[in-house]
Amino acid sequence: EDKVVQSPLSLVVHEGDTVTLNCSYEVTNFRSLLWYKQEKKAPTFLFMLTSSGIEKKSGRLSSILDKKELFSILNITATQTGDSAVYLCAEGPGNTPLVFGKGTRLSVIA
Amino acid sequence: KAGVTQTPRYLIKTRGQQVTLSCSPISGHRSVSWYQQTPGQGLQFLFEYFSETQRNKGNFPGRFSGRQFSNSRSEMNVSTLELGDSALYLCASSRSSYEQYFGPGTRLTVT
Repeated sequence: EDKVVQSPLSLVVHEGDTVTLNCSYEVTNFRSLLWYKQEKKAPTFLFMLTSSGIEKKSGRLSSILDKKELFSILNITATQTGDSAVYLCAEGPGNTPLVFGKGTRLSVIA
Repeated sequence: KAGVTQTPRYLIKTRGQQVTLSCSPISGHRSVSWYQQTPGQGLQFLFEYFSETQRNKGNFPGRFSGRQFSNSRSEMNVSTLELGDSALYLCASSRSSYEQYFGPGTRLTVT
C-alpha cells in the first residue's frame, strides 16, 4: 500500500525562525510529490516536484526532492505568523489519486 | 476565474440519515475528486470523476457514493450516517490529473 509520512506532526516556532518540514514516501510507482498549505479549509497548492535535486522556490518557501532516499523537505525561512497552517505532502497524481500524509501543523508565534 | 465551490459549508445530521454534498469545479475542469479529512486519519481519497465516469475509488464502504453531471458538477452522497462520518469533506478539481484546486469544504457533523 502506498504511504506518505510527514514529520514532525506539529511544530511551534518564533517569528523569524527557519523551519524544515519532512515528507517521506513509499509508493509502487512514483509520479510526483506535491506540497499544499491548509490554513482554514481549502488546501492551496505550493509545489510539485518530479525531479531529484532541483530546488523549487517561491518567496521564503523552498522545496527539494530526493528520489534515491524517497523524501522531500519544505523549508520556510524568516517565518511569519501568516505561515501558521497545516502543511500537507502528497504523492501523485496520474491515473490513480493523490496519497496524502497526515500533515505538519506549524504554529508561528510573535 | 471562480474557484471550486462547495455547498453546503456546514451541515448537522443525525445518525441514520443521509446527506448529499455538492461541488462545482473550476470552469473547464473535467476531473473532480472527493476527500474526507479527519484529525486522526488526515486526508483520505473517496473517489474521482472524470467526464461523468468514476475513474478511481478509495477504500470507503458502499454507503459513500457519488456522481458527476454533464456540466462537471459533482455530488457525493452518504447514506445511513454514522458518528464516524463527521469530517470535513473536500472536493478538488483539475484540468488534467495534475495540479488540483481544492474547494473550501463541507463540515459535516453527525450527532
